[in-house]
Amino acid sequence: AQSVSQHNHHVILSEAASLELGCNYSYGGTVNLFWYVQYPGQHLQLLLKYFSGDPLVKGIKGFEAEFIKSKFSFNLRKPSVQWSDTAEYFCAVNPYNQGGKLIFGQGTELSVKP
Amino acid sequence: DVKVTQSSRYLVKRTGEKVFLECVQDMDHENMFWYRQDPGLGLRLIYFSYDVKMKEKGDIPEGYSVSREKKERFSLILESASTNQTSMYLCASSRGGGNSPLHFGNGTRLTVT
Repeated sequence: AQSVSQHNHHVILSEAASLELGCNYSYGGTVNLFWYVQYPGQHLQLLLKYFSGDPLVKGIKGFEAEFIKSKFSFNLRKPSVQWSDTAEYFCAVNPYNQGGKLIFGQGTELSVKP
Repeated sequence: DVKVTQSSRYLVKRTGEKVFLECVQDMDHENMFWYRQDPGLGLRLIYFSYDVKMKEKGDIPEGYSVSREKKERFSLILESASTNQTSMYLCASSRGGGNSPLHFGNGTRLTVT
């Protein structure tokens, strides 16, 4: 079955630390890839997306992600986190032949200590 | 800006009740989705719809049904609520096609007692 795996359930960092959240998917064909963020008490928002082209994509608030096709991975990174980045982060995959349907990972809760 | 509105933020229902969760989007999006969000499980797709009166099962459709009579409205129905349906329910919409991001509502936290 198609699936998306996020390796870290809960990550705790201090401000200014670097962040990398892992995401792997199991679908073998062409995919569209997304990262969403959910700040406490708010709705999910799009952080960044990858459809084609440059495998390194930049999103809002200094986040970026790299698509490595050979590893079926789409890891999220940020060089220096801030307390305001405390949130839950979800990786999502849209298999190319399945219209707008997104398959989500389990989510990673990020806590940034001031 | 796209707005996806879910009719209730919190709901408390009793086991066996029929429950309706309503969702309205204001951007003429073709696609609409219902997910449930549970800690440690992420978001799981219940049902989705690509057009009026069309619906497709997601990964966990058992115990749920949906209705889409108008393009802007997508309703989730729990035919007979059970305690294992206590969850956060998220509605989302997107333009047609697979490379359009989903826009989410604020969610409905349903508790079944």
